[in-house]
Amino acid sequence: NAGVTQTPKFQVLKTGQSMTLQCAQDMNHNSMYWYRQDPGMGLRLIYYSASEGTTDKGEVPNGYNVSRLNKREFSLRLESAAPSQTSVYFCASSEVDQGASEAFFGQGTRLTVV
Amino acid sequence: SQQGEEDPQALSIQEGENATMNCSYKTSINNLQWYRQNSGRGLVHLILIRSNEREKHSGRLRVTLDTSKKSSSLLITASRAADTASYFCATAHSGYSTLTFGKGTMLLVSP
Repeated sequence: NAGVTQTPKFQVLKTGQSMTLQCAQDMNHNSMYWYRQDPGMGLRLIYYSASEGTTDKGEVPNGYNVSRLNKREFSLRLESAAPSQTSVYFCASSEVDQGASEAFFGQGTRLTVV
Repeated sequence: SQQGEEDPQALSIQEGENATMNCSYKTSINNLQWYRQNSGRGLVHLILIRSNEREKHSGRLRVTLDTSKKSSSLLITASRAADTASYFCATAHSGYSTLTFGKGTMLLVSP
């Protein structure tokens, strides 16, 4: 079982460039999430999708867009990258909403914006 | 902010010793979860304790929850070098479908 797979693992962008972070889960989970992790800040929720066809903003959505492509896949797009978006990004999934069940995390994407 | 706060921020112990880390939160919860993160890796779920539970065990892990004090503790008994990691508490708050993570405790277990 692969669990939650994120691609790419590392990325360097120039300011103003765009990119899409991909996430796929093979556990047939309904809910999927994107977090960013910065030193000393813990994990902060960017966007989530409680079920296929729905997306909602989290704590820090500015500068990001998401697409729940199907039940398996949830992508995060940076339209115009900024140095403040340098971070480690984690995708997670859970069977139902995280308020009721454990979350499974991918290995992360380390993004540097120069 | 509903964010939980872990205490201490960092903890250094010897193998075989017990490690205790604490988490405090501000608003009522449905449940509280603990996660472990090894350096450079994703988070791994350790244990979930519901608001109507006071204590839960899983192997060498013991979690307690005191809703009157809005706090939880994670005890790792007989620590091993492999327990070296960051530990995060995450709270599920009433009316919300997502978790709120604390900033974590970095645990270093020396051989």
